[in-house]
Amino acid sequence: NAGVMQNPRHLVRRRGQEARLRCSPMKGHSHVYWYRQLPEEGLKFMVYLQKENIIDESGMPKERFSAEFPKEGPSILRIQQVVRGDSAAYFCASSLQGPGLGNEQFFGPGTRLTVL
Amino acid sequence: QKEVEQNSGPLSVPEGAIASLNCTYSDRGSQSFFWYRQYSGKSPELIMSIYSNGDKEDGRFTAQLNKASQYVSLLIRDSQPSDSATYLCAVMSPRMRFGAGTRLTVKP
Repeated sequence: NAGVMQNPRHLVRRRGQEARLRCSPMKGHSHVYWYRQLPEEGLKFMVYLQKENIIDESGMPKERFSAEFPKEGPSILRIQQVVRGDSAAYFCASSLQGPGLGNEQFFGPGTRLTVL
Repeated sequence: QKEVEQNSGPLSVPEGAIASLNCTYSDRGSQSFFWYRQYSGKSPELIMSIYSNGDKEDGRFTAQLNKASQYVSLLIRDSQPSDSATYLCAVMSPRMRFGAGTRLTVKP
């Protein structure tokens, strides 16, 4: 009964490179959410996806960031041309139901991105 | 005004005492409320959800919700050193919005 899986757990990139973060939701969950946590700050919503659809990307920076959740395979958060300010922990969460009552979200272990 | 506000702490209680964590939120239309525990360097772990006014108990944890006052709290009875962590209040509004967290230390 695997939980939410994320890889890699740690990722080091140089400025200007691309970062790809992967997330596999809990079995049976079709709702995926990405959050960012900067050092000493709270979790910030980035994007909400269902299979093949972006439902809400209101928390995602307009440039350099994109997300997808294909029909087959994990959800991917892509950051192009990374800058030092992108250094953070990126968490993926999944839920059985969509937003509303009962929308309990379970988090993966996170990917710690360091930009040199 | 922040959407979800928590006292940042740190909150320190002796082992065996009751720890009380508080949270207020700004969106009066919010319907779902959650408490997560996050150990340093780890991911948030869901410990309680509450949707109706009143109290909800689960083991040593009790969540309290008062929608009229836009207030959510978490009580931890018989606090243990292993409860030392940051506790995050989260509100669905309509996306999950988190408070900055309250750091709790339980001293043996």
